[in-house]
Amino acid sequence: SAVISQKPSRDICQRGTSLTIQCQVDSQVTMMFWYRQQPGQSLTLIATANQGSEATYESGFVIDKFPISRPNLTFSTLTVSNMSPEDSSIYLCSAGQGGGYTFGSGTRLTVV
Amino acid sequence: GEDVEQSLFLSVREGDSSVINCTYTDSSSTYLYWYKQEPGAGLQLLTYIFSNMDMKQDQRLTVLLNKKDKHLSLRIADTQTGDSAIYFCAELKAAGNKLTFGGGTRVLVKP
Repeated sequence: SAVISQKPSRDICQRGTSLTIQCQVDSQVTMMFWYRQQPGQSLTLIATANQGSEATYESGFVIDKFPISRPNLTFSTLTVSNMSPEDSSIYLCSAGQGGGYTFGSGTRLTVV
Repeated sequence: GEDVEQSLFLSVREGDSSVINCTYTDSSSTYLYWYKQEPGAGLQLLTYIFSNMDMKQDQRLTVLLNKKDKHLSLRIADTQTGDSAIYFCAELKAAGNKLTFGGGTRVLVKP
């Protein structure tokens, strides 16, 4: 299974600012995924990031708020834009295929 | 209702077996997974089962799949205090290769 390095591991940000989260995979993968885990909740898929095309967003998530880049088959970024306290969550990236989807260690974001 | 459902909480004594249950609704799911999340950590893939299997064993972990009833379970033998965590089941839908997660079961292991 792929090994994913995610950073930053945590951050405290001022409202109205933006934060970019990076994920690096140790092997080439076709699809990468970005999830949000709100406090005490399960994971919700934000978008699927494919190399060479626009990300596909789930209902309730928009590109202006969560722009995603996927410049190559081993790297992706998620930006949380114009942050408000409601954006305080853990953000996780994932990659893999049928036999095993692995996750980065997560970014714990607190917006003050 | 939710696509994937789990009970919220399980308490078990150290050394006993734990059984965590999960139900799902999509009969076209190809793989089903169990993940473990410890406090402040990301998700650790524990095991998975392909939808045409009914059982998979991996050391202390046994996964049972009843495809007819769309029921998945994870049995942890000889539960240890280090097994205290939140356990998520997830299904991989055939369309879009997307994982759908259950709400998670918090397992507390008492000495």
